[in-house]
Amino acid sequence: EVQLQQSGPELVKPGASVKMSCKASGYTFTSYVMHWVKQKPGQGLEWIGYINPYNDGTKYNEKFKGKATLTSDKSSSTAYMELSSLTSEDSAVYYCAREGGHREFAYWGQGTLVTVSA
Amino acid sequence: QIVLSQSPAILSASPGEKVTMTCRASSSVSYMHWYQQKPGSSPKPWIYATSNLASGVPARFSGSGSGTSYSLTISRVEAEDAATYYCQQWSSNPLTFGAGTKLELK
Repeated sequence: EVQLQQSGPELVKPGASVKMSCKASGYTFTSYVMHWVKQKPGQGLEWIGYINPYNDGTKYNEKFKGKATLTSDKSSSTAYMELSSLTSEDSAVYYCAREGGHREFAYWGQGTLVTVSA
Repeated sequence: QIVLSQSPAILSASPGEKVTMTCRASSSVSYMHWYQQKPGSSPKPWIYATSNLASGVPARFSGSGSGTSYSLTISRVEAEDAATYYCQQWSSNPLTFGAGTKLELK
């Protein structure tokens, strides 16, 4: 069974950075890219980008270049996303998601809530 | 980028009613995916590649469309269908989502 287990909620100060994780299980980690999606409270979904754990190749939504950095660790089957220079606009739930066979998001993590507050 | 416009924003329906929600793309896309999300939960894959139901999705759901116009239809709405439905495309970068249609039960 494919599972994506994300790290817990984060309370961070404005201007700081935060790094969250997404541990994959139930499949070969290097066989699928891992996407990240942002959802602000009460709002819709926004694609941040993806990482290919096979070769660490990345693709970012232009909007999130300089804000998000995606990395992965094959040895632990874990994908990471670091967000920098945090502001209140970064307060959101962040999901990792894996593709299925038709470029759809077939599997989702439970989400990591990031709250930016002094 | 391709903008996806979902309508209506809020859809109110009675149990047993047939409902349709639409997703219009600013440029032609090859196919559309749909997700269901309930409050406090992650989105769930619902319909992929325009018309294929994801695992576990009831047969009362269907999807159709092509080019710039896509739709999700529920033949007979049930209480458990109350949720927000998002469409999503990846025919061109960046991948984009619609703003969602919230289905409310009367």
